[in-house]
Formats: sequence, structure tokens, C-alpha cells
Amino acid sequence: NAGVTQTPKFQVLKTGQSMTLQCAQDMNHNSMYWYRQDPGMGLRLIYYSASEGTTDKGEVPNGYNVSRLNKREFSLRLESAAPSQTSVYFCASIFTSGGYYEQYFGPGTRLTVT
Amino acid sequence: DAKTTQPNSMESNEEEPVHLPCNHSTISGTDYIHWYRQLPSQGPEYVIHGLTSNVNNRMASLAIAEDRKSSTLILHRATLRDAAVYYCILRAELPRRFSGNQFYFGTGTSLTVIP
Repeated sequence: NAGVTQTPKFQVLKTGQSMTLQCAQDMNHNSMYWYRQDPGMGLRLIYYSASEGTTDKGEVPNGYNVSRLNKREFSLRLESAAPSQTSVYFCASIFTSGGYYEQYFGPGTRLTVT
Repeated sequence: DAKTTQPNSMESNEEEPVHLPCNHSTISGTDYIHWYRQLPSQGPEYVIHGLTSNVNNRMASLAIAEDRKSSTLILHRATLRDAAVYYCILRAELPRRFSGNQFYFGTGTSLTVIP
């Protein structure tokens, strides 16, 4: 049981390049989220998927697109990277049961855009 | 507009209790209070959550003020492994058409545990 996995762990892009961050979970959770964390800041929600086949914008969606490929996988795409997108990106999947609600986070992808 | 405010940093001696405060004066009636912690170079991990009543689990206790405008995370005996950034987060249920929840992270409290 690997939990939430993210690839790659590190990435350096030049301005204008594109890339896709991959996220997968093996816990059969319905909801998955993408966050970014800038230095010294808390996490900000980029996009989320409440269930397979649905995606919605979070707090900071501009410059990103997402795909919920299946129940396991939720990818984040940067079409034209900008230095302002330099950040650590975390994927999370959510377990809910009655009143219980817990996010499981991946290890993060550290992205630098030069 | 910050949803939660926490002290930037706190220190505690090892084996002593730690009380981490959080203010959330604009909390609405349906917002849950969650606490997560983040160790260096890792993703956050769940600690505890509650709505109105105080909550206990194997990791910590959560004390929620009667008016719900503040809460306190209590680590009963701090260990070196508890050194992390602790986030107090509000979880708001989104309108039904979104079928999800919105989490509002603050900047967290960096806890240093002194041996």
C-alpha cells in the first residue's frame, strides 16, 4: 500500500515549457486535490476532483489544467510555465466516513521555473 | 483575508505539554477545524479535527472555545519527532453543485522541541 505517490520529485523548467505532474493513490478514495506551497506559506488549493469524472477550480487555478484520468490518477498540467509557478506541489486524496475526514498527502514535487 | 491566525513559532521542552493556539474569528457554523502538521521536506499529515466538542486521539487533543472563534491543539508530551509546522485549517462545505470541500490553510506555527 503506497498511499499517494507523485512524480517527478524534482523538476526544472524554462519559461514557456510545459509539463505534467502525476499523482496516483491506491486507497480507493473518491476525492483528490492539488495544492501549491510557496516558501514560508501555507498550502493553496489549485484544483480538486470530488469524484472520477469531475474537476473544479480552487483558489489559484490560473495557468494550470487538470485531468482525472480514472479513480486512481489525477494529473496537473502546466501549459506554459512561468517563474511565478516555482513552488512545491502536493497532491492529496481524501478519506471520508461519516463525520471523519482526512487528507493523505503525497511527498511533493519541487518545481523551479527559470 | 486570513481565515486562521497562528503564532509564527513556538518552543517547548521535550516531555512537556504544548498548547498551540489558533484564532478563527470568522468561522461559520458549518466549518470544521482541522489540524495538520508538516515535517521538513514532507507533505502534511493529519493530526486531529473537530466541529464543536473537544476531541482526543492518540496523537493530540483539540480544545474548541465555546464560541468557536478559537481552538488549541494540545500535545501532551512533546518529543523531538513532534518538531514540525502545525497548520490550523478550516474546512468549509462548498455549495452542493461543487460536491466538495474547501480547505483554508494558514501559515502555520513552527514548533521547536528542545531536548
